[in-house]
Amino acid sequence: DTGVSQDPRHKITKRGQNVTFRCDPISEHNRLYWYRQTLGQGPEFLTYFQNEAQLEKSRLLSDRFSAERPKGSFSTLEIQRTEQGDSAMYLCARGQDTYNEQFFGPGTRLTVL
Amino acid sequence: AQTVTQSQPEMSVQEAETVTLSCTYDTSESDYYLFWYKQPPSRQMILVIRQEAYKQQNATENRFSVNFQKAAKSFSLKISDSQLGDAAMYFCAQMGGSEKLVFGKGTKLTVNP
Repeated sequence: DTGVSQDPRHKITKRGQNVTFRCDPISEHNRLYWYRQTLGQGPEFLTYFQNEAQLEKSRLLSDRFSAERPKGSFSTLEIQRTEQGDSAMYLCARGQDTYNEQFFGPGTRLTVL
Repeated sequence: AQTVTQSQPEMSVQEAETVTLSCTYDTSESDYYLFWYKQPPSRQMILVIRQEAYKQQNATENRFSVNFQKAAKSFSLKISDSQLGDAAMYFCAQMGGSEKLVFGKGTKLTVNP
């Protein structure tokens, strides 16, 4: 158990719909990360929070994507007007202050039809 | 820009034998961390081993060890006494000052009984 839960585990939606994913680290950690993993590829960084502040956003994160971490605990990732190219596994990770380790949740697999 | 290259898309090993997975990386930073993650089929990403770039000694975690060659920017993973449960995708990753992980494309390891 890596101490990170994600909900839902699977999401199927139609193109053009909005979706929201949630990430819950087991306890409050300063750092929380979102990554996207497409089939046959390694995860790619999307964004990162330190407490409630969003410190960095990848250029992969278009205007249709928004992430929040309102109280520095759980985080949400919303995708508006989904496209088929958004189909991927969305991974959340909590950061460990020592050694810069990151521990991943099980991911949310998004399928856009 | 940071890049991570895993040149072996697939590898196989006999149970109880030793296998080495290759990884090369590129970075202009002097202070960074290197990681190997394991992702079993349909299961979450697990941290296998970590190496701090400033440490010359190679990291070891039970049956897993690394060969870190800083000048060559090489970071290979050796798995000794391979077990069926070692079968998974293995990702090499790097983290510099930006605190985001940059992953390679992965190596699929098959363990034959």
